[in-house]
Amino acid sequence: SQQGEEDPQALSIQEGENATMNCSYKTSINNLQWYRQNSGRGLVHLILIRSNEREKHSGRLRVTLDTSKKSSSLLITASRAADTASYFCATDGERSQGNLIFGKGTKLSVKP
Amino acid sequence: GAVVSQHPSWVICKSGTSVKIECRSLDFQATTMFWYRQFPKQSLMLMATSNEGSKATYEQGVEKDKFLINHASLTLSTLTVTSAHPEDSSFYICSARDLGGARITDTQYFGPGTRLTVL
Repeated sequence: SQQGEEDPQALSIQEGENATMNCSYKTSINNLQWYRQNSGRGLVHLILIRSNEREKHSGRLRVTLDTSKKSSSLLITASRAADTASYFCATDGERSQGNLIFGKGTKLSVKP
Repeated sequence: GAVVSQHPSWVICKSGTSVKIECRSLDFQATTMFWYRQFPKQSLMLMATSNEGSKATYEQGVEKDKFLINHASLTLSTLTVTSAHPEDSSFYICSARDLGGARITDTQYFGPGTRLTVL
């Protein structure tokens, strides 16, 4: 079953703009992770935020987590054409056996 | 960082044949590996959890007799798609947890995926 729901499903922006993607989940979590997937390729781990953290930064990435609302956001600042990809949030979830439960993803297109 | 490999990276087969996909953790041991399936323009869905030395645990709706999983060692899990049909065409991705990773950090590494096309 899927845990997260990302919005928007698709996002198109110009290079240099910021991109914000949101993710909501249903059950309690230990942590939430964001992944990037280029078309037809494997997953690239971007960032992990723990349930007791509210915000985390990594380069041009900023992730927030609101456990009271069961939601997270991923902000990519000063986007580049190379950021074009699908972005997924993933949680461990309370029923997880260690596997990750993925959201539906946001397809980001950054136009040069 | 830890590396997980998959082989083959892509395969095309005829309907009715069986296909084996390997997932290897190259520089760490993994008692547990996970197999996901991703249909075009969709997200990853867990198929099964592969446990070293024991039977795999399958998600609801995944046929265990069709998707055979063997986790014979701490570094290798195989997924065999038996009697493949066109509807089995998908992107199959494995992941492995580093034994040294604590639950709270859930260090998990993904393979590059295998694209299966059944004609």
